[in-house]
Amino acid sequence: QLQLQESGPGLVKPSETLSLTCTVSGGSISSGDYYWGWIRQPPGKGLEWIGSIYYSGSTYYNPSLKSRVTISVDTSKNQFSLKLNSVTAADTAVYYCARVYGDSFPNWFDPWGQGTLVTVSS
Amino acid sequence: QSALTQPPSASGSPGQSVTISCTGTSSDVGRYNYVSWYQQHPGKAPKVTIYEVSKRPSGVPDRFSGSKSGNTASLTVSGLQAEDEADYYCSSYAGSNNYVFGTGTKVTVL
Repeated sequence: QLQLQESGPGLVKPSETLSLTCTVSGGSISSGDYYWGWIRQPPGKGLEWIGSIYYSGSTYYNPSLKSRVTISVDTSKNQFSLKLNSVTAADTAVYYCARVYGDSFPNWFDPWGQGTLVTVSS
Repeated sequence: QSALTQPPSASGSPGQSVTISCTGTSSDVGRYNYVSWYQQHPGKAPKVTIYEVSKRPSGVPDRFSGSKSGNTASLTVSGLQAEDEADYYCSSYAGSNNYVFGTGTKVTVL
């Protein structure tokens, strides 16, 4: 059974870089059938897609975050990572990683990691 | 890309039905049959309930159904049960490997 687990610092200072890693178990991140994505949820608010990556390294980002986001993949470790630079308090959120899945085209998110809360504060 | 529009709340008594709308544009919901719905209980990660407009993953009760008309998709929960009380989010493919989520709806079982 495929499982995803986020890891990384829970506290980041303003203007610094948020870095998270998602470790995939129970399956290979190199499967050509899926993409891998990051989604975030500020406290008490809705979900926001941050970006996705294919195992080959092709990346796709939310236009509103594109200038600050980098997603990368390490197939040897079965992991993919998120970096968000120049963070502010508005970036405080629970960050989720998820597989982007679909029968003919990746279009829904399943499964999700449990999520990790990242707080931006000095 | 703007968030898809959902009503903030919906409610129904046990055994009744509730329908949640998800309104987008001709660039996302209206253009692709790639609308999915997620159920999120407090403190938990979202879980897919409907994908590709109307398909149910294995393990999801057939009380959950989805549909789409034009730029608006809908999720209906029939025979409401206490465990259906949760937040629900829609999502749509928006082209160029981009995705957009809805604003979320809190469903209350009275």
